[in-house]
Parts: sequence; C-alpha cells; structure tokens
Amino acid sequence: GDSVTQMEGPVTLSEEAFLTINCTYTATGYPSLFWYVQYPGEGLQLLLKATKADDKGSNKGFEATYRKETTSFHLEKGSVQVSDSAVYFCALRAIGTSGSRLTFGEGTQLTVNP
Amino acid sequence: EPEVTQTPSHQVTQMGQEVILRCVPISNHLYFYWYRQILGQKVEFLVSFYNNEISEKSEIFDDQFSVERPDGSNFTLKIRSTKLEDSAMYFCASSEGAGGGYTFGSGTRLTVV
Repeated sequence: GDSVTQMEGPVTLSEEAFLTINCTYTATGYPSLFWYVQYPGEGLQLLLKATKADDKGSNKGFEATYRKETTSFHLEKGSVQVSDSAVYFCALRAIGTSGSRLTFGEGTQLTVNP
Repeated sequence: EPEVTQTPSHQVTQMGQEVILRCVPISNHLYFYWYRQILGQKVEFLVSFYNNEISEKSEIFDDQFSVERPDGSNFTLKIRSTKLEDSAMYFCASSEGAGGGYTFGSGTRLTVV
C-alpha cells in the first residue's frame, strides 16, 4: 500500500539556519504530494503541494520538489525563524477509484531557537 | 478565510459511552473526511463522505464508528461504545473536489477514561 517516510525527529535549529526535512514515499501510480504544518494547539494547515513530477511547491519561503526518480519530496527553507517552530507532515494522495485519502508520514517536530 | 469548525475542542468520556464529534465543513465543499492522530503516532485516515454516503473507509473505521450529515451543514462522527484506545485527536476536513486541497479543522481531543 501507499506509505510516506519522514526523517527522524525532532529537529532543533538556530534562527537563520538552513532547514531540510526529508520525505520519501511509496505509491502506485503518480500521487500528489503535500507538506502540512501543525502549529501548537492548532489543526493541520496545507503548506505546499506538487501534483506531478518535477513540480516545485513553495510557500512562505519553504520549497519542495517532486522527484519521481528518487520518490522524494524533501522540504527546505533557506533561513528559518522562531515562528516556524511546528510539526511538519509530509503526505501523499493517490487518486484511486474509491476516493482520495491522504497518507501521512510520522511528522517532524521543528524547534527554532533565537 | 473559510474555516472548518470542530466542537468540542476536548471531550472526556467513560469507556463504553457513546460520543459524537461535530464538524461544520466549509459551505461550498462537497467532500468530507475524518482523520485521527493517536498521541505520538501518524495522522490516520478514517473515512471520506460524498453525496451523502461513505465513499471510502479504512480498516480502523469498524462497526463502532458511523458518520452522518444530518442537516446539510454539520458532519458528525459517532463512536458507539468507546474504548481506551479510541483516545486520540480527531480531525475533520473538507474539500471542494476529490482532487482539491483539504482544509482541516483544529481537532477534537478525545480522552477515554
């Protein structure tokens, strides 16, 4: 079945550091890929998405490129801020005949220190 | 910006009791979903709902669970006889189309004691 694997967490960085959170997936067909973010006490918010190979999703300084050859969708940001502290979830949606469920990775807790 | 609203934010219930978790999806959305997240674990799909019927459900969604859209605005998840292992954060979500992005609610934390 479909699955998503994220890098082991948690991740702790200093402000202005470079961020990479790795995400790889297994799916039949060509899924759409997503990054969701969960700030403390809040729900899941869509951060960015990519729907086909080589697409780059971007939002709020975060980027991720859909790499079919490596089945990856790594999240990057050049300079993190304290306000980026949150849990980040990689997810895929493989469109099938019966629905469009999201399959999530384990989540990566990011803490950014001033 | 339109929101998905979930109530209550936290519910404590005794094992064996029935609970109903409530959600108000975005008004022009047609697809509705429930997910759950047991503490420290992945967010897991429970069920999707379209055109007044279940379109897909996971193996977690057994006979103890049911969903309903009783009045055209609310979308509810009922757990008939709660177990300790039902303790989790339950997220409602909605989307305009099957291929569109989801909007999630803030979740209901269910604690079964």
